[in-house]
Amino acid sequence: GQQVMQIPQYQHVQEGEDFTTYCNSSTTLSNIQWYKQRPGGHPVFLIQLVKSGEVKKQKRLTFQFGEAKKNSSLHITATQTTDVGTYFCPGSSNTGKLIFGQGTTLQVKP
Amino acid sequence: DAGVIQSPRHEVTEMGQEVTLRCKPISGHDYLFWYRQTMMRGLELLIYFNNNVPIDDSGMPEDRFSAKMPNASFSTLKIQPSEPRDSAVYFCASSLYRGGNSPLHFGNGTRLTVT
Repeated sequence: GQQVMQIPQYQHVQEGEDFTTYCNSSTTLSNIQWYKQRPGGHPVFLIQLVKSGEVKKQKRLTFQFGEAKKNSSLHITATQTTDVGTYFCPGSSNTGKLIFGQGTTLQVKP
Repeated sequence: DAGVIQSPRHEVTEMGQEVTLRCKPISGHDYLFWYRQTMMRGLELLIYFNNNVPIDDSGMPEDRFSAKMPNASFSTLKIQPSEPRDSAVYFCASSLYRGGNSPLHFGNGTRLTVT
């Protein structure tokens, strides 16, 4: 089945540093979603990318969808302690399953 | 809307006991998903429903797990008998359209501890 691999699994940064997480699929994706889960919380939808090469921004967060629609990235500029959490880019199968996996856990040192 | 509502928030039970987790999806959402989250395995999809019908239960670990959706506003996940390795956070989520085409809205989860 379709799988989306996410790297890195863990990242520790100093507050103010940038952070990037990457998702790679073995097959072409119709779209990709990003979620954030704060410690002790539940995953919360951030954004969906649909078009090849699409770039979307939410304040300090920049989301990109690759030209071949097989990869995506989330870049956070000047991290803050409020960015702490686990970021997921679930891949969807033809049957509508959303596979989340381990995600990337971000720690920010103040 | 109150969002996806799960109960209980925490459940502590002894090995061998039956556990029932409950979920009320967002009204109007046609898809309901049950996920399990552990440190080792991340967020795993157990089963999902479309219009109250189970579509894919390939993620259900074994016969001890069962899920039902008797109507559009209620679903249960049952574990009988429970085992310590079932300890995890169980999330219910709902979406308007099939997974990937619209956002998933998660409940606050049920933290299950089996001793």
